[in-house]
Amino acid sequence: DAGITQSPRYKITETGRQVTLMCHQTWSHSYMFWYRQDLGHGLRLIYYSAAADITDKGEVPDGYVVSRSKTENFPLTLESATRSQTSVYFCASSGGLAGNNEQFFGPGTRLTVL
Amino acid sequence: SQQGEEDPQALSIQEGENATMNCSYKTSINNLQWYRQNSGRGLVHLILIRSNEREKHSGRLRVTLDTSKKSSSLLITASRAADTASYFCATDAISLDSGYSTLTFGKGTMLLVSP
Repeated sequence: DAGITQSPRYKITETGRQVTLMCHQTWSHSYMFWYRQDLGHGLRLIYYSAAADITDKGEVPDGYVVSRSKTENFPLTLESATRSQTSVYFCASSGGLAGNNEQFFGPGTRLTVL
Repeated sequence: SQQGEEDPQALSIQEGENATMNCSYKTSINNLQWYRQNSGRGLVHLILIRSNEREKHSGRLRVTLDTSKKSSSLLITASRAADTASYFCATDAISLDSGYSTLTFGKGTMLLVSP
């Protein structure tokens, strides 16, 4: 299917477990992003990638790891989940054209850490 | 820290009325974008206005940008119940660390349009 997809859509895990959230896009967009959305904070950027093998920290990167070995995939790993990482996670992609960098969002993953 | 801040936090109107949301930001930007989020869904891009533009229209949407005041407004005319959603402004700026462009989102305005 064309577009940007995230899996799983819902995940419940326990404190200390490792969790990987998947993101896949079919547009061959250069840029990909991970955000978390929490009440009272809006969307906050966790990590982003400008191209395969290029990743950079966003506003709230602590406790998260990303990789981008292929242009179309951008997985987000919580190495040792904590309750404060309970959130809704959104992946987005963008062509990154200068002056026209609108982002396309996935449907989100609702993560609960018990 | 948040770059954009929307005002009001919540807005309740009747169908047919106009809805105006405001966004203020702090630093220089390349462009400013507005997104909509329906409950339980991802964000959807509505409109982009570049830093050298003052006003832009798209259907029932009108966006203004005042770079001297570091503010923008989104006007939705003749609102419909289907416009009920959260609306976010996002400012595009170059990251000082990486040199790449990223968006910084505000906390959003929740719009409720009643039939």
